[in-house]
Amino acid sequence: GENVEQHPSTLSVQEGDSAVIKCTYSDSASNYFPWYKQELGKGPQLIIDIRSNVGEKKDQRIAVTLNKTAKHFSLHITETQPEDSAVYFCAASAEGGADGLTFGKGTHLIIQP
Amino acid sequence: DAGITQSPRHKVTETGTPVTLRCHQTENHRYMYWYRQDPGHGLRLIHYSYGVKDTDKGEVSDGYSVSRSKTEDFLLTLESATSSQTSVYFCAIGEGGGMAEQFFGPGTRLTVL
Repeated sequence: GENVEQHPSTLSVQEGDSAVIKCTYSDSASNYFPWYKQELGKGPQLIIDIRSNVGEKKDQRIAVTLNKTAKHFSLHITETQPEDSAVYFCAASAEGGADGLTFGKGTHLIIQP
Repeated sequence: DAGITQSPRHKVTETGTPVTLRCHQTENHRYMYWYRQDPGHGLRLIHYSYGVKDTDKGEVSDGYSVSRSKTEDFLLTLESATSSQTSVYFCAIGEGGGMAEQFFGPGTRLTVL
């Protein structure tokens, strides 16, 4: 089955700096890669996703890149703000996620004032 | 939380007792999922449903059963709870097929003593 590795487990950046979280996947059939943000005591919230036919996608301060050859994808957050502090999860799925997502173990992003 | 409710939100129970968690959606999505979240493991798929009375196993299905008698409700049952099933349980919904997004509920924190 699919295996998703996520790094780093904790990331501390100064407010206003950029943050990058990286994930690798094992199943070459995976074609859907969402990113979720989870705040304390809440459910994961989808923030951006990318399909395998696209190399990069951007939404305001967040962007995701995908390298299918190397089987890795990354989340980039620019101009970080205190409200960006949370746990971020990457995930992967073949069949578009219909049979469920395989998640990385999460990155705790800390924005230092 | 995209029209998803989970009940109860918190539960403490004894080892060996049966427990049923409920997920209710108002979005009329075809697919529903149960995940568990544990420190160091991220989120892992327990079971999912792709229609009324249509369910399938996920990565960590042992000790759990599910039922879906209506589009809007997906039940997760622990027939005889064990301490290893202490976790936070999340329900998710999605349209499925063709790389569709999954949206998560607020979660149920279950403690098995």
